[in-house]
Amino acid sequence: QVQLQESGPGLVKPSETLSLTCAVSGYSISSGYYWGWIRQPPGKGLEWIGSIYHSGSTYYNPSLKSRVTISVDTSKNQFSLKLSSVTAADTAVYYCARQWELLHRPWFDPWGQGTLVTVSS
Amino acid sequence: EIVLTQSPGTLSLSPGERATLSCRASQSVSSSYLAWYQQKPGQAPRLLIYGASSRATGIPDRFSGSGSGTDFTLTISRLEPEDFAVYYCQQGLTFGQGTKVEIK
Repeated sequence: QVQLQESGPGLVKPSETLSLTCAVSGYSISSGYYWGWIRQPPGKGLEWIGSIYHSGSTYYNPSLKSRVTISVDTSKNQFSLKLSSVTAADTAVYYCARQWELLHRPWFDPWGQGTLVTVSS
Repeated sequence: EIVLTQSPGTLSLSPGERATLSCRASQSVSSSYLAWYQQKPGQAPRLLIYGASSRATGIPDRFSGSGSGTDFTLTISRLEPEDFAVYYCQQGLTFGQGTKVEIK
């Protein structure tokens, strides 16, 4: 059974960099699939942030591309998100999830439980 | 960029009733790329339907998806108490804004 677990600071100051890690268990990242980050501002809908292929190729939401970096560490079976120059608008629950394919089968399953990141001084 | 519009925003129904949720795309999309999720308060979304009409593992058969082109539908044949939640459609890397199914 594949499980994902997000971790990282719950509070980040404006203009700083948000850093989160997603630990994967029950499946080896290096075996395949894409691995993605999605966020959800409080009371709002879902926004795809970006995805990484097991080989390390990355794909980002154009609206966030200049601030986002996603990386993978296959030795630790985890992948990470960095979002720079954060503002209050980046306050959200951040989810990691396994993605079947980037475009042709883009659905996410399963998901991590999510972690709330608040941007505030 | 494709925009997905879900309607209605909120659906008020009683247990046992049929729920019909709509997801309309701003341009024609492949049904193969369309998915539906269920999200309960404080929980992560859960994949219900992929490829417009295939149920994900463990999803009860009261959930069904249909549609093609620009119009897609998620149907819950008879609402159970645990079905009251928010539902999102996804096409490509875009999500709809969600439909809340609440108890009437």
